[in-house]
Amino acid sequence: EIVLTQSPGTLSLSPGERATLSCRASQTVSSSFLAWYHQKPGQAPRLLIYGASSRATGIPDRFSGSGSGTDFTLTISRLEPEDFAVYYCQHYGTSPWTFGQGTKVEIK
Amino acid sequence: EVQLVQSGAEVKKPGESLKISCQGSGYTFTSYWIAWVRQMPGKGLEWMGVIYPGDSDTRYSPPFQGQVTISADKSISTAYLQLSSLKASDSAMYYCARGSFRGDIVSPFDYWAQGTLVTVSS
Repeated sequence: EIVLTQSPGTLSLSPGERATLSCRASQTVSSSFLAWYHQKPGQAPRLLIYGASSRATGIPDRFSGSGSGTDFTLTISRLEPEDFAVYYCQHYGTSPWTFGQGTKVEIK
Repeated sequence: EVQLVQSGAEVKKPGESLKISCQGSGYTFTSYWIAWVRQMPGKGLEWMGVIYPGDSDTRYSPPFQGQVTISADKSISTAYLQLSSLKASDSAMYYCARGSFRGDIVSPFDYWAQGTLVTVSS
């Protein structure tokens, strides 16, 4: 099973600032089958990025993903008020699929 | 418009069983994998398993193998998650979600239902 470790646990930033979230895998994620989601309180998760760097439908270009192998990054270029949420990475290659424990992006 | 709609919140007693439904619409239900994800109170997301409604091919995450049953009725575009011998530790939000790529098990989840809150308490 691939274990995904996200850091930091909490990121305190102001609107307009840049956010950089990390997701490290315990073994290589094949073919970059790595996705990012965010989840706001009381809502279901929403897909942001898949294939490590492809934006899902309707996701603004301030969200970008990068990385390969075992190290992946989600970058939000300029935080908007609606971006404050919990972010999860997930690998969906070889079963079992797993999620990281999450990074909370909170307003400073 | 693609939609997944789950059955409503449930309150159960320890030892009881429960079946949560997830109805899909706005797309060819039989052609996309459906996953189930658990979120315990204040915690992260856990992938439980997936089913391909077209032929009911099912895969389980090891911690949930033998603990839950995933099924589907393609005639009514509905997938199910069955939990038996409920314990307080089964109290959680349960989500169903659709695999993004038609026919491909290797898919992120692009559409999610609203979730079903399960409370197990004596």
